[in-house]
Amino acid sequence: DAKTTQPPSMDCAEGRAANLPCNHSTISGNEYVYWYRQIHSQGPQYIIHGLKNNETNEMASLIITEDRKSSTLILPHATLRDTAVYYCIVRVINTGNQFYFGTGTSLTVIP
Amino acid sequence: EAGVAQSPRYKIIEKRQSVAFWCNPISGHATLYWYQQILGQGPKLLIQFQNNGVVDDSQLPKDRFSAERLKGVDSTLKIQPAKLEDSAVYLCASSLAWSTGELFFGEGSRLTVL
Repeated sequence: DAKTTQPPSMDCAEGRAANLPCNHSTISGNEYVYWYRQIHSQGPQYIIHGLKNNETNEMASLIITEDRKSSTLILPHATLRDTAVYYCIVRVINTGNQFYFGTGTSLTVIP
Repeated sequence: EAGVAQSPRYKIIEKRQSVAFWCNPISGHATLYWYQQILGQGPKLLIQFQNNGVVDDSQLPKDRFSAERLKGVDSTLKIQPAKLEDSAVYLCASSLAWSTGELFFGEGSRLTVL
């Protein structure tokens, strides 16, 4: 079962930063936070992941709070192609690397 | 690098009929997953394979769903008999090993049960 809570939908103006929050208050010390996105009619696509430290790659930044109970995915300059459903996932590794998806946040980038 | 291949992309059947979906993971990927995604919901894990062994099938409705990965490479997911509520997209994903995090997903197979 999903261990994360996300707002169902968000809007963001094109060119502005999109900040997508996620709560994972029951996360264990060795569980990673992953972010995937799903563009309409496609399979989910990996974005970024982290354990404790903030992470950045060419797609996004991931900010994890010190207590690890929440995180924020940041798309620094949102484009229309970033319109998608974004899933925050806690990776469960004790029984073999399962990924349980919640309902995600539907992000709409507005021109 | 070729991605995860799935077929068919679309399938329409009547209830009580059977259907099979095929998945070929990325070459060298030991772990394979089948997910069910009902419209408006996130993907739900059905079964996870490590090579040709089942790691987790706790959410697979075993009275009607079956899956196999006999040679540890490609996999088949079967539904028999299908129900109306099985209408969904069936997503296959693979990862290099069970301990590595990134999953690579296929485009999915969309099933409509009439």
